[in-house]
Amino acid sequence: GAVVSQHPSRVICKSGTSVKIECRSLDFQATTMFWYRQFPKQSLMLMATSNEGSKATYEQGVEKDKFLINHASLTLSTLTVTSAHPEDSSFYICSALGGGATDTQYFGPGTRLTVL
Amino acid sequence: AQSVTQPDIHITVSEGASLELRCNYSYGATPYLFWYVQSPGQGLQLLLKYFSGDTLVQGIKGFEAEFKRSQSSFNLRKPSVHWSDAAEYFCAVGAKGGQAGTALIFGKGTTLSVSS
Repeated sequence: GAVVSQHPSRVICKSGTSVKIECRSLDFQATTMFWYRQFPKQSLMLMATSNEGSKATYEQGVEKDKFLINHASLTLSTLTVTSAHPEDSSFYICSALGGGATDTQYFGPGTRLTVL
Repeated sequence: AQSVTQPDIHITVSEGASLELRCNYSYGATPYLFWYVQSPGQGLQLLLKYFSGDTLVQGIKGFEAEFKRSQSSFNLRKPSVHWSDAAEYFCAVGAKGGQAGTALIFGKGTTLSVSS
């Protein structure tokens, strides 16, 4: 149980385009999901907290107009990187809170974004 | 300030030898503590967690960790390392419910290499 999926696992796009990443909790409902960004050989940095049915809460320094988060249902949150630039290239990981132990985050496998 | 410190950036252990990965935290409230493991290009897998009760917690894959409040530590141990344990290990601290602003705070990670 407590499986979180992400799609796509890898995406390459041209500069200026937008990319949508999906995060799904497969076997549980998650009222709260988190989006993290990880640079090579670095730790995870929280970007935003996504609550179902409400606006996401962004961490300081994260542009909410660039990183659009939608948590439309209890099993799906999406992160859209708008007008992507090479500096947005990174590993994006989502996590979902719940799955029976509501104080535990379960992580997706991550999405590798490369912007050319 | 809330923080997690993993003093060892890289550790190499011989296969079959014992392992201890260090983690120290600074957190204002009662911490919930986690250890996650990440294989290259993958998401994070929960190894174990401490919420309350017995300060020695058992996890998956033969790992255990001990919470020492007096030392603000939550070190991860394994009595006999296998080659498949080579990965990146993250210690994290969080608050109950993972509410916005109190999501997981990660250490910078420790890379474990296993020599034959």
